[in-house]
Amino acid sequence: DIQMTQSPASLSASLGETVTIECLASEDIYSNLAWYQQKPGKSPQLLIYYANSLNDGVPSRFSGSGSGTQYSLKINSLQSEDVSIYFCQQNYDSPWTFGGGTKLELK
Amino acid sequence: EVQLVESGGGLVQPGRSLKLSCAASGFTFSDYNMAWVRQAPKKGLEWVATISYDGSSTYYRDSVKGRFTISRDNAKSTLYLQMDSLRSEDTATYYCARHAAAIGDWFAYWGQGTLVTVSS
Repeated sequence: DIQMTQSPASLSASLGETVTIECLASEDIYSNLAWYQQKPGKSPQLLIYYANSLNDGVPSRFSGSGSGTQYSLKINSLQSEDVSIYFCQQNYDSPWTFGGGTKLELK
Repeated sequence: EVQLVESGGGLVQPGRSLKLSCAASGFTFSDYNMAWVRQAPKKGLEWVATISYDGSSTYYRDSVKGRFTISRDNAKSTLYLQMDSLRSEDTATYYCARHAAAIGDWFAYWGQGTLVTVSS
């Protein structure tokens, strides 16, 4: 199975700040990487697919990048509604696996 | 608007069975591959099973193979997960999810989830 390692596990940032979350795959996943946002008490929602394609309706302050085994999610100008847990997921090979999540809080 | 509404969760004893349902609307259900993804309390996400758009192909994670069965009724726009020989480690919120298009694509839409608790 492909292991997905996210860092950091938790993050505290101020409004307006830029934050970056990292995701490391145990092998090359050829940009088959998605990011999801899970707000408290809610189901996950797709943010980004193919490592850097923004899903419809997602604010442009979110962006994704990376290739090979290393990927990142960047949030510019942090807003209060961005408080969530963020997960990466590889869809290169079954079983499709997720990172452990990054909990983003406001400082 | 795409909607996925799960039902059927609850408290069940180890070794017993439970069947989850997911009612889909807002899209042509028979055109899409569907999946179940679970999340243990305060834990991360774990893909469980996927079924092709026509039901001809199914895929499972190893830990549920032989115990869980994913199926669908395209006439009723409904996805199912039959869970047999349940174990305490199956305790989780189970989400119904729609693949974007192809098998193995990302999960474009998710339901609100239904909680399954396996305990004596």
